Amino acid sequence: EDQVTQSPEALRLQEGESSSLNCSYTVSGLRGLFWYRQDPGKGPEFLFTLYSAGEEKEKERLKATLTKKESFLHITAPKPEDSATYLCAVQASDAGNKLTFGGGTRVLVKP
Amino acid sequence: NAGVTQTPKFQVLKTGQSMTLQCAQDMNHNSMYWYRQDPGMGLRLIYYSASEGTTDKGEVPNGYNVSRLNKREFSLRLESAAPSQTSVYFCASSEYPPQHFGDGTRLSIL
Repeated sequence: EDQVTQSPEALRLQEGESSSLNCSYTVSGLRGLFWYRQDPGKGPEFLFTLYSAGEEKEKERLKATLTKKESFLHITAPKPEDSATYLCAVQASDAGNKLTFGGGTRVLVKP
Repeated sequence: NAGVTQTPKFQVLKTGQSMTLQCAQDMNHNSMYWYRQDPGMGLRLIYYSASEGTTDKGEVPNGYNVSRLNKREFSLRLESAAPSQTSVYFCASSEYPPQHFGDGTRLSIL
C-alpha cells in the first residue's frame, strides 16, 4: 500500500525565517511526486512535479527536492502570503493517474 | 478560466437525506476524481473515472455513487447521508498528473 507522511503537521515561522517541510513516502515504484498549496476555503493548487532522485524545482521562495525516500519543500525568507497548507502526493507506477496524498503541513508566517 | 467548477459550495443535510454533488471541467480532460478532505486525514479518493463511460472505486467508496455523465461532468451522490459523511468534497480532473482541483463543497450532515 502506498503511503505518504508529511511533517511537521504545523509550522509557525517569523517573516524571513527559512525552514523545510518533509514528505516521506513508501511506494512500489515512483512515477512522480507532486507538491500543492492549499489556501483556506480553496482547492489545492499545483506547485511542482518531481520525477527522479536528485531533481530540484524552484518557484519564487519555494524549492522542492527529491530523494529515493523523501521530498523536501524549502521555504526561503518566507512572507506572510506564503501562509497556507502544503500537500504532497505521489503517483505510483501501478496506479494509473491516481495520486496518494499526505496529510499536509499548515504553515503560518507571522510578520 | 473556469477550470473545475463544483456546485453547491455549501450544503447542510439531515441524516438519511440524499444529495448529488456536481462537478464540471472545461479543460477537455479524460480523467476525473472525487475526494473527501477531513482534518488530519489529507485527501482520500472516493471514486474516479479514467475516461468517459468508466468509473472505479477509490479508497473510501462506501455510501457513495458516481455518474460520469459525459466528458465534462462527473457527479457524486449520497443516497442516505450519515453524519460520518460530513466533510469537504473536492472534484479534480487531469489528462495526466498533476490533477487540477475545484474549490470544494462543504457538506454538513446533522
